[in-house]
Amino acid sequence: GQNIDQPTEMTATEGAIVQINCTYQTSGFNGLFWYQQHAGEAPTFLSYNVLDGLEEKGRFSSFLSRSKGYSYLLLKELQMKDSASYLCAVSAQGYQKVTFGTGTKLQVIP
Amino acid sequence: NAGVTQTPKFRILKIGQSMTLQCTQDMNHNYMYWYRQDPGMGLKLIYYSVGAGITDKGEVPNGYNVSRSTTEDFPLRLELAAPSQTSVYFCASTVPKIAGGGGDEQFFGPGTRLTVL
Repeated sequence: GQNIDQPTEMTATEGAIVQINCTYQTSGFNGLFWYQQHAGEAPTFLSYNVLDGLEEKGRFSSFLSRSKGYSYLLLKELQMKDSASYLCAVSAQGYQKVTFGTGTKLQVIP
Repeated sequence: NAGVTQTPKFRILKIGQSMTLQCTQDMNHNYMYWYRQDPGMGLKLIYYSVGAGITDKGEVPNGYNVSRSTTEDFPLRLELAAPSQTSVYFCASTVPKIAGGGGDEQFFGPGTRLTVL
């Protein structure tokens, strides 16, 4: 089976930087996704990491360490609109299955 | 492209009733998925399909059935609705990477909010 852990809630200040961690245990690991989900809406894709290291996309960056079963999502220059849940998801076992963590609810305060 | 569309957006069912949640994508994606999301929780995979005529169970398939007769459509059937099936249902699709299978982003529909009373 697969086990994915991420913090339930986080609070950060507008303009600051926040790091959301995700640890996983799985067999047949292929890659790790990060999705953003605003309340009442569908998830939207942020990033997909296959290799170790940091990938940057504008204000968002995602890091993966396959040997440690660890990833983080880094959000810079936080804006109020970044208040959302951030879902970590693991692709494994032949790519067909994607397993989601329970999500981290981020609140950005003025 | 409309992307992934789901109908209905909302539905209230009585215990024991049946219904079909519709999902259609116009991106010619091979892979399609059904998830449910309970309040404050992540998404749990119900069923998935890697192509027309091929379906397989996910984490929580009990109480549901699917079919995939065309590339575009992937309906989810609830035969005997139970209160435990009250949830938000998301359909998603993706196209697998060449020579390696999936990994590309999943495109999600807007969801169907189902209440079973």
